[in-house]
Order: sequence, then C-alpha cells, then structure tokens
Amino acid sequence: EVLLVESGGGLVKPGGSLRLSCKASGFTFTSYTMSWVRQAPGKGLEWVSSISNTHVNKYYADSLEGRFTVSRDNDKNSLYLQMNSLRVEDTAVYYCTRSGFVAGIDYWGQGTPVTVSS
Amino acid sequence: AIQMTQSPSSLSASVGDRVTITCRASQAIRNDLAWFQQKPGKAPRLLIFAASRLHSGVPSRFSGSGSGTDFTLTISSLQPEDFATYYCLQDYNYPRTFGQGTRLDIK
Repeated sequence: EVLLVESGGGLVKPGGSLRLSCKASGFTFTSYTMSWVRQAPGKGLEWVSSISNTHVNKYYADSLEGRFTVSRDNDKNSLYLQMNSLRVEDTAVYYCTRSGFVAGIDYWGQGTPVTVSS
Repeated sequence: AIQMTQSPSSLSASVGDRVTITCRASQAIRNDLAWFQQKPGKAPRLLIFAASRLHSGVPSRFSGSGSGTDFTLTISSLQPEDFATYYCLQDYNYPRTFGQGTRLDIK
C-alpha cells in the first residue's frame, strides 16, 4: 500500500521558516518523481513543486518567487520542502504527492497544515 | 503557464443523474490530463489519468474523454458518495496547473 505521511506543519509568523517532511512507504521511492501541492482554506488546489527521482530536475511554481526549496533523501524515503520568508498567503494545507509513470499525480498524503500569522 | 478552465464551477444534481464536467486547456496538452475527487477535510484522490484511463479501484460509472484542449469527466449515474469537488490537472508540462474545481452537490 502506498503511504505518504507529512509532518512539520504549524503556526509561524510572517517572514519565518518551516521545513515540511514526507515519509514514503509501500513503493520504490527512488523510482518516482515527487511533488508538493497546497490548498489554501476554502480554495482550490495549487501545485507547488516537483523533484525528479534522481534529484536532477526541480520545478517550482512562479508564485513562490524563489522562497521554497524542494529536496529528497532517497536513503530515507523522504521528501522535504524548505519554506523561507513565509507570507500570510502561504497559509494552506500542504500535500505530499507521488507522480505515477503515466499519471501526473497518483497518490496523496493526508496533508499538513501551515498557518502564517502574526 | 497553461491555464485550465473548468466548467461549471458548481453543479446541483440528483442521485441517478448523469453529470458531465468539462476542462479546457489554454493550449494543446495531448491527453496529459487527470481528474481528482475531493471530499471536505480529505485529500484528493485520483479518478482518471491520461484523459480516459480509470485509476485502480475507481467505479466504472466514472469516465473521461478528450484530447488536445477539451476534456470531459462523466459520472453516468450519480451515487450519494459522489457529491464532492472535482479538479482537473494538466501534467503535460511544468508548471503543473489545476482547474479551479467543480463543486457537485445534491439538488
């Protein structure tokens, strides 16, 4: 069974930083591109970032303006999102997702909430 | 970035109805489109990928079609558990982009 478990969310002040983690199990982590998707309260889904299975390719939403960094540790079956210079508009539930070989996203974690507020 | 326009944004229907949701891409994306269902407080789940392929475990009343710029998700006979919000996603290129969502509720 594919399992993605996020952690690291919480309350942070504007300008602060957070590091999200996602622990993967139930599949060969090193074979898959992984991504982060977020959802602001009451809003739709927004793709945030993706990283290829070999770390070589990383992609980011333009809206992030270089504040976030995606990484992965294939030895630990883990995906990360380092979020710096956080803004109120970054408040959202952040989902860890797996990109299938054909499907752009095929599995989702349960999400971790991030609240940016003073 | 490719823009994905979903319609309608909301829809009321009854159990047993046939429902169609559309998604239009601002440029051709071959068949690189997926559909997701999301219920309140839950993570989305994949229904359809590659425009028309049913994901494992998804009931056959869900179907997808389309290629290029125009795509549809059809639910042939609505069941009570189908009332949810539906999103399309283009996975043709980066940045990935979602449609704005279609909220399906009970009439």
